[in-house]
Amino acid sequence: DTGVSQDPRHKITKRGQNVTFRCDPISEHNRLYWYRQTLGQGPEFLTYFQNEAQLEKSRLLSDRFSAERPKGSFSTLEIQRTEQGDSAMYLCASSPGRDTDTQYFGPGTRLTVL
Amino acid sequence: AQKVTQAQTEISVVEKEDVTLDCVYETRDTTYYLFWYKQPPSGELVFLIRRNSFDEQNEISGRYSWNFQKSTSSFNFTITASQVVDSAVYFCANEDGNQFYFGTGTSLTVIP
Repeated sequence: DTGVSQDPRHKITKRGQNVTFRCDPISEHNRLYWYRQTLGQGPEFLTYFQNEAQLEKSRLLSDRFSAERPKGSFSTLEIQRTEQGDSAMYLCASSPGRDTDTQYFGPGTRLTVL
Repeated sequence: AQKVTQAQTEISVVEKEDVTLDCVYETRDTTYYLFWYKQPPSGELVFLIRRNSFDEQNEISGRYSWNFQKSTSSFNFTITASQVVDSAVYFCANEDGNQFYFGTGTSLTVIP
């Protein structure tokens, strides 16, 4: 049973560096979502893809953040010039994209910016 | 503007008690979706339910039940005969115009 996987699970970086995270969705799920979660808060929606098309992006998302899903399978989330406020858990979820649109979440990537 | 409000930050109950987690949402859309997720101590979010705005029927799944009331913009979640394994943070969420909004969560502790 292959669920949503994310890599790396933990990332520590220095302020100003660029980081990239990868998400592999459940096979044949055509929707993929990125969220950010900080301690004591609910997940904050960042963006989502329908196949390779990025259909929605949070209005709060800084232009230092970019996401891709080039072949409609795995996705990457890049953060440029990281800031300490970027420290959070970055969650990926996928869904079949049909009427019963259940989102299945991965374990997350924990980012710490020093 | 806050889209989803979970006023209860923490709740503790004794095992076998019933507990209701409150969720109030706001939206301008006539078509929208509401969700509940569970986040156990292990950290991975688990989907519990998705409900569209046209279906106000209450739903029951085992010990879980949901009460959706559009008149009060509420989508409350009840766990009957709670168990220690129910201890987790529970999030209510709203899909509103392809943007997803989660509440701040309610931390439930079930005491054996």
